[in-house]
Amino acid sequence: NAGVTQTPKFRVLKTGQSMTLLCAQDMNHEYMYWYRQDPGMGLRLIHYSVGEGTTAKGEVPDGYNVSRLKKQNFLLGLESAAPSQTSVYFCASSIRGTQYFGPGTRLLVL
Amino acid sequence: GDSVTQMEGPVTLSEEAFLTINCTYTATGYPSLFWYVQYPGEGLQLLLKATKADDKGSNKGFEATYRKETTSFHLEKGSVQVSDSAVYFCALSTDDYKLSFGAGTTVTVRA
Repeated sequence: NAGVTQTPKFRVLKTGQSMTLLCAQDMNHEYMYWYRQDPGMGLRLIHYSVGEGTTAKGEVPDGYNVSRLKKQNFLLGLESAAPSQTSVYFCASSIRGTQYFGPGTRLLVL
Repeated sequence: GDSVTQMEGPVTLSEEAFLTINCTYTATGYPSLFWYVQYPGEGLQLLLKATKADDKGSNKGFEATYRKETTSFHLEKGSVQVSDSAVYFCALSTDDYKLSFGAGTTVTVRA
């Protein structure tokens, strides 16, 4: 039981490049989330999903897109990366109100 | 909207010292309250939670009591260890699936 895994662990992008972050969970959870963590700001919700095929905007969705084609996977896309998107990205899944987090992806946009 | 305010860090303690991290919240309805811990280089882990007023959550020697009258959920540990060095996040949920986090408090315990 791997829990929540994230790919890649670290990535460097140039401004304007695109990339996709992959999150996978093997706990059969319905709910999944993408957060970003920035110093002094806690975690801010980017997008979330309450089930396969559904997505919704969180607190800071601009510049990101997501897809949940399979229940176990939740993808976060950056179409045109900007330096303001330099951050640590965490994926989570939840059941009965408790969220389980992945190890994070550190993204640097130059 | 819902929000969480927790004491600013960083907090530096010696081993066996008493730790308190203050957390207050603003929410509509009756939120569930959580403390998450993030060890260096890792994701967040649930430390403890409480779902109704006067509930006490506890885990690994940490405790927090849901105080509705003061809208608080302060985290305490009586005797910290070096291994408790981490970032601690207070959070609330009013709909059972979305969390609102505080900014986090960095705790460093020195031997």
